[in-house]
Amino acid sequence: GDSVTQMEGPVTLSEEAFLTINCTYTATGYPSLFWYVQYPGEGLQLLLKATKADDKGSNKGFEATYRKETTSFHLEKGSVQVSDSAVYFCALSDQKGGGADGLTFGKGTHLIIQP
Amino acid sequence: DGGITQSPKYLFRKEGQNVTLSCEQNLNHDAMYWYRQDPGQGLRLIYYSQIVNDFQKGDIAEGYSVSREKKESFPLTVTSAQKNPTAFYLCASSILLAGRTGELFFGEGSRLTVL
Repeated sequence: GDSVTQMEGPVTLSEEAFLTINCTYTATGYPSLFWYVQYPGEGLQLLLKATKADDKGSNKGFEATYRKETTSFHLEKGSVQVSDSAVYFCALSDQKGGGADGLTFGKGTHLIIQP
Repeated sequence: DGGITQSPKYLFRKEGQNVTLSCEQNLNHDAMYWYRQDPGQGLRLIYYSQIVNDFQKGDIAEGYSVSREKKESFPLTVTSAQKNPTAFYLCASSILLAGRTGELFFGEGSRLTVL
């Protein structure tokens, strides 16, 4: 079945550091890929997405490129801020015989940015 | 404003009681989902519905029930058969794209604690 593997945290960085959160996936079809962010006590918000190979999703300084050859969708940001502290989830949507049965999520990476 | 509303935000239950979590959306989305979130486990799918009066079990449906009598509403009942119900519950909705789930829009979540 489908699965998403992402680095587990917590990941602790200093403000203005470079961020990479790794995400790799296994899918039977040709999935769409997503990064979601969750702030404490809240639901998840879409951060960025990509629907085909070599697509780059970007938003709020974050970027991720859909790499089909390495089945990866790593999240990057050049200079993090304290306000980026949150939990980040990588997810995929695949086309299966059962229909649109939601997204498959990784376990989440807790990011802590220190001033 | 369009979005998803979950209520209550916090709920306490005694063992042996059933509780119902509300989820309402005004995005005109066909598909709705319930996920359970536990620390370190990511999101796990409980139930989903692609159309009114129809729903399917997700990965962890035991001890839960749902209904979809209206397009806008997808309430989740946590029954006394659920052995470990204390968790954060997230409702989401999406459009359907060529047989797969599109971007998920999440509510703010409901935190259930069993006393």
